[in-house]
Amino acid sequence: RKEVEQDPGPFNVPEGATVAFNCTYSNSASQSFFWYRQDCRKEPKLLMSVYSSGNEDGRFTAQLNRASQYISLLIRDSKLSDSATYLCVVLSNTGNQFYFGTGTSLTVIP
Amino acid sequence: SAVISQKPSRDICQRGTSLTIQCQVDSQVTMMFWYRQQPGQSLTLIATANQGSEATYESGFVIDKFPISRPNLTFSTLTVSNMSPEDSSIYLCSVEDGQGAGYEQYFGPGTRLTVT
Repeated sequence: RKEVEQDPGPFNVPEGATVAFNCTYSNSASQSFFWYRQDCRKEPKLLMSVYSSGNEDGRFTAQLNRASQYISLLIRDSKLSDSATYLCVVLSNTGNQFYFGTGTSLTVIP
Repeated sequence: SAVISQKPSRDICQRGTSLTIQCQVDSQVTMMFWYRQQPGQSLTLIATANQGSEATYESGFVIDKFPISRPNLTFSTLTVSNMSPEDSSIYLCSVEDGQGAGYEQYFGPGTRLTVT
C-alpha cells in the first residue's frame, strides 16, 4: 500500500465553483501534513501546512481527519489561476522523510 | 523560508556522459534532499544528502549512478552518471526548514535534463 494516495483527477470546474480534494495516508503515527501546488514545468510550492484539526487561508481550507487518516483541501470561489496540480504530502512520524501523493490535477474553466 | 537555487536549470546531454547538478541554499539547513520527477509523475526521492557523511539512498537508487556530495550546510551536488534516455527527468533539490514540529519542505527550481 502506498504511503499517500490521491485521486489523480483531472478535476475540471467552472470559475467560482467550490472543489475538494481528498488524500489518504497509511501511517497512523504521521504527524505533519501539507498541501503543495505545482504549476506546469515548475517546482512544487508549499500551499498550506496542516498541523492539527485543520486551518484556513483565504479561499483555501485544509482539514485533517486522524480517525480516518485523510486530509482534504477545499478551494472556494475557484479562479483561473488555481489551475495546477495539488500534491498531498505527509511527513513520517520519525520526522525525516516526506511522502508525496501523485497529485490531483485541477483545471478551472472560464 | 529558505531560498534555493539550482544550476544548471536545464541541459541536453548525450548518453554515456555525466552531469553534476548544484544546489545552493541561502541559509544553513540540516536536511537536504534530491528528488526526481519524470514527465506526468509525482516526485520520487532519490536520496537524503547528509553533511559530512555518505548520502542515504532510497530503494532503486545507488551511489555509483547518483553520487551526491554535501560539503557544508548550504550546498550539495547530485551527479547523474553514465546517462541514458531513461534518466531524462526533472531533478529537484529540497530542504527541510523550520523549528520544533513545524518542519516544512521547500524546493529549488529544478534542473530539466534531457538525454539523447
